[in-house]
Amino acid sequence: DAMVIQNPRYQVTQFGKPVTLSCSQTLNHNVMYWYQQKSSQAPKLLFHYYDKDFNNEADTPDNFQSRRPNTSFCFLDIRSPGLGDAAMYLCATSSDTGIRPYEQYFGPGTRLTVT
Amino acid sequence: RKEVEQDPGPFNVPEGATVAFNCTYSNSASQSFFWYRQDCRKEPKLLMSVYSSGNEDGRFTAQLNRASQYISLLIRDSKLSDSATYLCVVNSGSARQLTFGSGTQLTVLP
Repeated sequence: DAMVIQNPRYQVTQFGKPVTLSCSQTLNHNVMYWYQQKSSQAPKLLFHYYDKDFNNEADTPDNFQSRRPNTSFCFLDIRSPGLGDAAMYLCATSSDTGIRPYEQYFGPGTRLTVT
Repeated sequence: RKEVEQDPGPFNVPEGATVAFNCTYSNSASQSFFWYRQDCRKEPKLLMSVYSSGNEDGRFTAQLNRASQYISLLIRDSKLSDSATYLCVVNSGSARQLTFGSGTQLTVLP
């Protein structure tokens, strides 16, 4: 089945220790997104890749970076995690073409704990 | 004003009831509208895309009122498995950028 996969599902890191979260997709979608979701809040878009073009949201902290080495993979790097960065990180994909453009499909998320 | 506003609930309804959720959005240029459901500690899953004429998928009916910038979701004959948080989602800025409402929590009671 075509899907969005995230690894790891749970990540514990220490305050200030860099961490990388990964996302892969078999949907062949050209757009990939990273969201942060804290408890009882809406998912908040951090950035997205439209093909190879990186689009950062204005209020995304510099502490968050992303890489997309190819169509299938996208990484979220948190350079110096703070306690406030503990959250669920969701990867999503969409396609600009087809009968249902812009519908976003999410991976299961990575729950990040910062100690 | 928030870009997408929803009544947070919670809505507690008995099995078999009909329940309606409402959502308003602030960007009159928005073109894409969706309802997602999210179970506790899981990812959001697309429930329905909302089309301008309104659309139905089994027990679920979505309506869009562009003049009032208002979207609704109606669930008929509620099942226990419908218990979840329902997120109203609207594009903001480009068509690719979606803004999520904070969600409306539904609990269907036996």
